[in-house]
Amino acid sequence: KQEVTQIPAALSVPEGENLVLNCSFTDSAIYNLQWFRQDPGKGLTSLLLIQSSQREQTSGRLNASLDKSSGRSTLYIAASQPGDSATYLCAVIPRDTDKLIFGTGTRLQVFP
Amino acid sequence: DVKVTQSSRYLVKRTGEKVFLECVQDMDHENMFWYRQDPGLGLRLIYFSYDVKMKEKGDIPEGYSVSREKKERFSLILESASTNQTSMYLCASTLSPGHSLTNTEAFFGQGTRLTVV
Repeated sequence: KQEVTQIPAALSVPEGENLVLNCSFTDSAIYNLQWFRQDPGKGLTSLLLIQSSQREQTSGRLNASLDKSSGRSTLYIAASQPGDSATYLCAVIPRDTDKLIFGTGTRLQVFP
Repeated sequence: DVKVTQSSRYLVKRTGEKVFLECVQDMDHENMFWYRQDPGLGLRLIYFSYDVKMKEKGDIPEGYSVSREKKERFSLILESASTNQTSMYLCASTLSPGHSLTNTEAFFGQGTRLTVV
């Protein structure tokens, strides 16, 4: 059964720092991996989608990488800002099911 | 450009009531999901539908049922609401990975905060 883990569970950094969020999964047979952002009390906003044939995706200050063989993905946030404060979740779609399997998230706080 | 819409942001219902949560997507997606999210427990899948009238139980289906009569609409039903069903409910949709298009990006609604008193 596919399991997804995110480390750290919480992170607090000063504004301007570059930071890395980690996501690991136990079964490399996936269709894709997706990173989401969630603000308190709100739904999930898609940040980046990496298909299984891709190694990385970039959007603005965000860069996500995927290493299927090691079961790992990282989300890199450059020059963090207080507006980046949110919970970040990763999810995979395994090849034996169409279901989204989520990690438990990393709660990020960026202080001025 | 709203893609997934949940009928209510906030709901307050009484114990024993039958509750309907509605979700509509405008992207012609085959797959639709209902999750609940609780502090410390993350997102847990309640039910999943991969086609009209087709459904599959998720990890926590007890106390819930679903209906998918049209491709764009997926309803979650609490047959007899209980206080332990107080939670944030999230709906999502995706294309099937077997679809000819390869973009299986998932889209979520804004969430429904349900309180059962």
